[in-house]
Amino acid sequence: AQTVTQSQPEMSVQEAETVTLSCTYDTSESDYYLFWYKQPPSRQMILVIRQEAYKQQNATENRFSVNFQKAAKSFSLKISDSQLGDAAMYFCAYVYSGGGADGLTFGKGTHLIIQP
Amino acid sequence: GAVVSQHPSWVICKSGTSVKIECRSLDFQATTMFWYRQFPKQSLMLMATSNEGSKATYEQGVEKDKFLINHASLTLSTLTVTSAHPEDSSFYICSALGLANEQFFGPGTRLTVL
Repeated sequence: AQTVTQSQPEMSVQEAETVTLSCTYDTSESDYYLFWYKQPPSRQMILVIRQEAYKQQNATENRFSVNFQKAAKSFSLKISDSQLGDAAMYFCAYVYSGGGADGLTFGKGTHLIIQP
Repeated sequence: GAVVSQHPSWVICKSGTSVKIECRSLDFQATTMFWYRQFPKQSLMLMATSNEGSKATYEQGVEKDKFLINHASLTLSTLTVTSAHPEDSSFYICSALGLANEQFFGPGTRLTVL
């Protein structure tokens, strides 16, 4: 079975600085997707960024980028120019893409604090 | 992105009663929806996969007779918590599956069982 590990329960960063959230995963599959979701206090899950495992190029979305290391099974999220609105829980998630419709496997999350 | 709604957003019920939670995809048809549970300060755990017109698939450890799922149309899935007890109090989140394995999440339903 697949597992997703986020080893940082909490991270703190100064506004406008850069922060990196870590995520590792374990799977025996070669075809999958990886995601980072943001959950603010409203608890609405918001997709931040996604990565297809077959793509070597790291995904980027404005201030958000990932460092995807397939061999190491690592998928870290870098947030540049941190803003107060980035404060939230961040969840790393995995889904197998070769078997039809599967639910997501989430890590335990990282609570990101933005210091003004 | 696509919009998914949930109703109610918060429900309080007495122990032993049943509660129904609705999940609707508002602007697209979803053959597959998912139900997750999130306990306070914890992550989301997949409970079941809901497929339109067929029986739901439950994750290991989830009681299918307690958490009844019905996906009668391409835009609606319902989760009924039968004979609810205080330990069932949690935050229940649904998602609808779109293209390229992207899931669109509802805003969640907070269930409190007294």
